[in-house]
Amino acid sequence: EVQLVESGGGLVQPGGSLRLSCSASGFTFSSYAMHWVRQAPGKGLEYVSAISSNGGSTYYADSVKGRFTISRDNSKNTLYLQMSSLRAEDTAVYYCVKGLGDWGQGTLVTVSS
Amino acid sequence: DIQMTQSPSSLSASVGDRVTITCQASQDISNYLNWYQQKPGKAPKLLIYDASNLETGVPSRFSGSGSGTDFTFTISSLQPEDIATYYCQQYDNPLFTFGPGTKVDIK
Repeated sequence: EVQLVESGGGLVQPGGSLRLSCSASGFTFSSYAMHWVRQAPGKGLEYVSAISSNGGSTYYADSVKGRFTISRDNSKNTLYLQMSSLRAEDTAVYYCVKGLGDWGQGTLVTVSS
Repeated sequence: DIQMTQSPSSLSASVGDRVTITCQASQDISNYLNWYQQKPGKAPKLLIYDASNLETGVPSRFSGSGSGTDFTFTISSLQPEDIATYYCQQYDNPLFTFGPGTKVDIK
């Protein structure tokens, strides 16, 4: 069974940084592209970032480009999202997604002073 | 980036009604389109992939069609457990984008 468990969310001040992690199990992690998708409170889904299976290619939404960095450690079956220069509008539940069919439970990031 | 639109933004229907949601892409995405169902407090669930293929375990009352820029999602007979928000999503290019969602409830 595919399991994706996000962690690292919490309350951070504007301008601060946070690193999210997603621990994967139940599949061959190194064979799949992985994604981060977020959802602000009461709002729709927003695609944030993607990384190829070997980490060689990365993609970012314009709203986070230059501030967020996606990475992965295939030896640890873990996906990361390093977030910096955080803004209030980055407040959201962040989901780790495999292949767009398997989603984690999400981790809440709140950017507020 | 490819922009996705959906209509309507919300709808109310009776149990047993046929419900149809449309999704339009700003450029040709072939059949690279998913449909998701999201219930409050839960992660989205994939229902339809490649525009018209039913994900394993998803009831057959759900269906999808279309290609190019225009797509349709249908619930043939609305059930109480179908109350949710439905999103389309394109995956034609690496920046996969979602539609704004359609909230479905019972009249």
